[in-house]
Parts: sequence; structure tokens; C-alpha cells
Amino acid sequence: ETGVTQSPTHLIKTRGQQVTLRCSSQSGHNTVSWYQQALGQGPQFIFQYYREEENGRGNFPPRFSGLQFPNYSSELNVNALELDDSALYLCASSLSLHQETQYFGPGTRLLVL
Amino acid sequence: GESVGLHLPTLSVQEGDNSIINCAYSNSASDYFIWYKQESGKGPQFIIDIRSNMDKRQGQRVTVLLNKTVKHLSLQIAATQPGDSAVYFCAENKKAAGNKLTFGGGTRVLVKP
Repeated sequence: ETGVTQSPTHLIKTRGQQVTLRCSSQSGHNTVSWYQQALGQGPQFIFQYYREEENGRGNFPPRFSGLQFPNYSSELNVNALELDDSALYLCASSLSLHQETQYFGPGTRLLVL
Repeated sequence: GESVGLHLPTLSVQEGDNSIINCAYSNSASDYFIWYKQESGKGPQFIIDIRSNMDKRQGQRVTVLLNKTVKHLSLQIAATQPGDSAVYFCAENKKAAGNKLTFGGGTRVLVKP
């Protein structure tokens, strides 16, 4: 176990709805990254948060947004859900922005109907 | 463009044999490489990493080799066990790009008893 936790484990939403996914980073880790993993593919980088500020973003539209709290936990928000948003959403934490090794949580499986 | 990819999508191995998983990358500016193991229903689990100034790194039953001349990365698993059955991903990390991971598509390893 990495100490990174995510909630909920599974979620079903309908197209057009909004969703919030949550992540608690490993103790002492101040950097959190979010990834989307479609079935049968490798994870794709969404964005990264360091000390409550966004630090880098992948090729995802603005309806994907995030937040990091003072305790370094994080949220991923997705508005106007589309069918293609169905995926496993992974959170990874690292000790600091300059520590490259990222430790992943178990993910949240999102199904959009 | 930048890409991290794998040569073999599925690898079937006899228990006790050694496994070799290969990965190609195209960006010579990548400075850090990581191997992850992902079991069904779980998040990626860190296995081993290597920096671009190294050619080889060993862990417990695993060895990562980096050939910068041909931009090739491999993961060797010694004495493969049933618990090694999983999907394996290589990923690259470029500090200059903001410390985000770029993953390949994954190789499924099946260990036959």
C-alpha cells in the first residue's frame, strides 16, 4: 500500500452531470498529480498541484479542474460529463515537486451513462 | 513527437523463468524512467526507476536497463512468480516539462504454472 487514498471507489453518473473525486496524499507528500486511465490504456496526465497551486496541465479541456487543500489533499472536478469521460481516475503523490517518484492510489472508477 | 511505447502487448512466461519487458522512447531529453506494475482493479505500483545518467539498476528480483543510444528501456524479472501476473507500464518523466509522467500502453504478463 502506498498510503494514497481515493474516494469514492466507484461512481456512476449521467451525461451532463458534474462529479468530484477526492484524494489524500501520502503523509509528508506535498505534490499531487491526477491521471485518467481509459480501459486498456496507460494513464494520461491531467494536471498536478503543488502547495495548493496548479503546476502543469495535460491536454484536457477546462471542464476538468482541480483543487489542493492546505493538508495537501486534492479534488478533481469534472463538469458537463461526457460518455468518453468514463475511465479510472488515478491520483499520485510525490514527496515534493522535485521528487520524481510518484505513488499512486487505487483510483476511482467513473462510469458515465 | 514524444512517445513512450512497448514492443510486446502480451508476454506469456513459465513460472520460474525470467521475464523481459521492453519499452521504446522517442524523446532523448527524458531524464528519468519508471516501471509500474498494475494488477486488476488496482492503481499502478512503483517497481523501479532509473535516471538517464545510469545504464542499469537492480532491485529485488528486478533489473532495469537503459540504452540511450537506441532509446530503449527494459525490465527484467528474475524467477517469475504467479504474483507477477499483471500489466506493466514504463513511464518517462521530464523535469523540464513539469515533472509529469508520460506512460506507454502497457504489457500484460501472464505467468503459467
